[in-house]
Formats: sequence, structure tokens, C-alpha cells
Amino acid sequence: GQSLEQPSEVTAVEGAIVQINCTYQTSGFYGLSWYQQHDGGAPTFLSYNALDGLEETGRFSSFLSRSDSYGYLLLQELQMKDSASYFCAAGSSNTGKLIFGQGTTLQVKP
Amino acid sequence: EAQVTQNPRYLITVTGKKLTVTCSQNMNHEYMSWYRQDPGLGLRQIYYSMNVEVTDKGDVPEGYKVSRKEKRNFPLILESPSPNQTSLYFCASRRQGAYNEQFFGPGTRLTVL
Repeated sequence: GQSLEQPSEVTAVEGAIVQINCTYQTSGFYGLSWYQQHDGGAPTFLSYNALDGLEETGRFSSFLSRSDSYGYLLLQELQMKDSASYFCAAGSSNTGKLIFGQGTTLQVKP
Repeated sequence: EAQVTQNPRYLITVTGKKLTVTCSQNMNHEYMSWYRQDPGLGLRQIYYSMNVEVTDKGDVPEGYKVSRKEKRNFPLILESPSPNQTSLYFCASRRQGAYNEQFFGPGTRLTVL
């Protein structure tokens, strides 16, 4: 089947660094995306990796290893406003779908 | 402004009363889809459409219908809503083959009594 696994919850303190992992099993894999969703709001796009390696966008970075079917989102200099749910999503060229993980709830504490 | 819009944003209805949630995008995207989000279950795809007049079932299509008569619109129809369809619904769109970024609407919170 096609699935993505990520931790359900992560807690960190303000100013720290946190890494949210995602492993995937997707036929016709075509890149890994990350989305942020604040409580009750719409998911918004954060980052995308089509190739192996690290992509950096400000305080957020995302990494992909296709050989390991693994990626992660790295959030640096955590702020209270980063408290949200984070979803990884894998594109499948076989189905044309974007498949989402269950989401990781990040709680940032003072 | 590039966006996906949904209406209504909030709806309380009763079992069996047909309803439609509209979705519209102004980005000329080929691909549109509907998701429902329930606590602990993440985003589950209901239906998707790769282009006009082309629709297909997602992971949880039972009890829902869709149509894609125009490229910009993708309404979600509940012919006979039931309480287990109480959920938060999101419409989304992206360019066909562009897996890098999908745009979501603001969501519709539906309660079926």
C-alpha cells in the first residue's frame, strides 16, 4: 500500500531545534512536501524535496533520502507561533495523488 | 490574489437534508480534490479530479458526490448527510503533475445532527 509514517506529537522549548521525521512507502514516488496547519486553519505549504539533500527556507529546512524512503523537517529557533500540526505528503506519479501522513502536533513551550 | 475559496465556512444541518459545499480556484489548476479531517485521522481524500469531466474516488468516497463541469469549480455534494459526516472539509487544487505545492481552501466545518 501507500503510506507515510510520522510521530504523532513532539514537544520542544522556545529557541530550540526540533526535527520531525517522515518515512514513506509510495509507488511512483515523486517528491516529499511539508505542510503546516494551525488549529482550525487550512494546511499551508512549507517545503518540497524532489531530490536527495537539504532544502532551506529561513528557519525551516527539509531533507530527503530517496534510498532510505525517509525525510525530515527541521525547525530552528523555535517560536511560540510554530506550535501547529505538520504533515508530510508524498506525490505518486502512478496515481497522480498527493498522499498525506497523519500529522505531527508540535507544542512549543516557553 | 491566487486562492481557493469554499462556501459555506460553517454549516449545521440535519440528517437527510441534501447539501452542497462549493469550491472555486482562480489559478487555472487542473487538479482539484476534497479532503475531510477528523481528530487523529489526518487528511483523508474523498474525491479528486484531474481535469474537467474527469473525477475519481479517493480513500473515503462513500456518501459523497462531486462534479467538475468547469475547470475552476469542484462542488462537494452530500445527498443524504448523516452524523458520521460531521467533519472539517478542505478543498484543494494544484497544477497537474506538480506535487510540490497544493493550495487549500479555508475549510468548511460541517455538523450533521
